[in-house]
Amino acid sequence: DTGVSQDPRHKITKRGQNVTFRCDPISEHNRLYWYRQTLGQGPEFLTYFQNEAQLEKSRLLSDRFSAERPKGSFSTLEIQRTEQGDSAMYLCASSPRRVSGSNEQFFGPGTRLTVL
Amino acid sequence: DAKTTQPPSMDCAEGRAANLPCNHSTISGNEYVYWYRQIHSQGPQYIIHGLKNNETNEMASLIITEDRKSSTLILPHATLRDTAVYYCIVRMYGSGNTGKLIFGQGTTLQVKP
Repeated sequence: DTGVSQDPRHKITKRGQNVTFRCDPISEHNRLYWYRQTLGQGPEFLTYFQNEAQLEKSRLLSDRFSAERPKGSFSTLEIQRTEQGDSAMYLCASSPRRVSGSNEQFFGPGTRLTVL
Repeated sequence: DAKTTQPPSMDCAEGRAANLPCNHSTISGNEYVYWYRQIHSQGPQYIIHGLKNNETNEMASLIITEDRKSSTLILPHATLRDTAVYYCIVRMYGSGNTGKLIFGQGTTLQVKP
């Protein structure tokens, strides 16, 4: 399978613990996005990488959140001191280099986080 | 905030065409219309996009009005597997923008046998 993969698929943690999620984009996709989705809502943009550079962060990305893409390939999203409000599906998407305005994003299956 | 308005839900009979409307009255000249769908417990899936001309691919057709203030996604022969939430998104193109997607609430399409 050459699609976007995310690990783990499910994570249950206690409030106050740190968690880290991994995203492996489609090979050679230089654009990578993280989104968060709560129940009944559409996905919300969190952050964007072009290669290894983090070029945009949403206001939703508080100081407890950090994302990296160290070599321009896989990415990690860490949440420190988790809160119950962090419970959500965390989605990763990748996109190839822009061609004529198209920017199809390919989404992974998501990591569902439950904070108890 | 999302720049589109969609009905919250629609039903369609299996085998019939599903026509999903979207209003984007504030769309600007350098914004595309994109459609994605999300089947339960999966990540969103790209369907189609367009600027001002009608578009068709193997999944669907996209009809954009001449003034570009609204569009309709057409699934010509809906199947039960097309039951999903459908998102209409406007996105700017051009150098310097990140391509992030701003999702609204979408339309939940229920295809019934």
